[in-house]
Amino acid sequence: EAGVTQFPSHSVIEKGQTVTLRCDPISGHDNLYWYRRVMGKEIKFLLHFVKESKQDESGMPNNRFLAERTGGTYSTLKVQPAELEDSGVYFCASSHSRGSSGNTIYFGEGSWLTVV
Amino acid sequence: AQSVTQLDSQVPVFEEAPVELRCNYSSSVSVYLFWYVQYPNQGLQLLLKYLSGSTLVKGINGFEAEFNKSQTSFHLRKPSVHISDTAEYFCAVTVLYKLSFGAGTTVTVRA
Repeated sequence: EAGVTQFPSHSVIEKGQTVTLRCDPISGHDNLYWYRRVMGKEIKFLLHFVKESKQDESGMPNNRFLAERTGGTYSTLKVQPAELEDSGVYFCASSHSRGSSGNTIYFGEGSWLTVV
Repeated sequence: AQSVTQLDSQVPVFEEAPVELRCNYSSSVSVYLFWYVQYPNQGLQLLLKYLSGSTLVKGINGFEAEFNKSQTSFHLRKPSVHISDTAEYFCAVTVLYKLSFGAGTTVTVRA
């Protein structure tokens, strides 16, 4: 079974440009999450999809960030325009909905974003 | 709201020595507790989790953790580490599907 896959693995863009990160969750997982870790700080929650619906987007830092999950499959996270402080690693994760919130959340390897 | 405190940011340890990584949590409701590991240049991998039942939880790669409700702790231990255990370790709690992470503990194993 394929794990959570993210693309690109690394991206270097200039301040003011746009970057779109993609995440393919584990097949059958309704829950999809985005987290990020900037400048060696704590890993922070960004948002949570259940299928195609945004369940919780309380962690999105500002309106330069837009996440979508059309059709309830893969998800994209767009940063437009990118700022220097957006540099960091963006993790996508997924879990299935059956059972409780103690279900294991599986993480991808992250998309490492550098804004210069 | 729930939060996690990892008491050590860096833990150097010699190969074959034991290691303990400390984690305390705070929450007004019941939580589920996790330890994740990030090896160099890799993603986050689940080491172990506590949901209920026995307070001693065994995970992968010889790690174990003990849930202590009275002390609100979930410390991670390994009796004998290897060079390959060099990584960053994260304690996390989840309530309602959302994980809250600690700041991470970097373990460096030296020969």
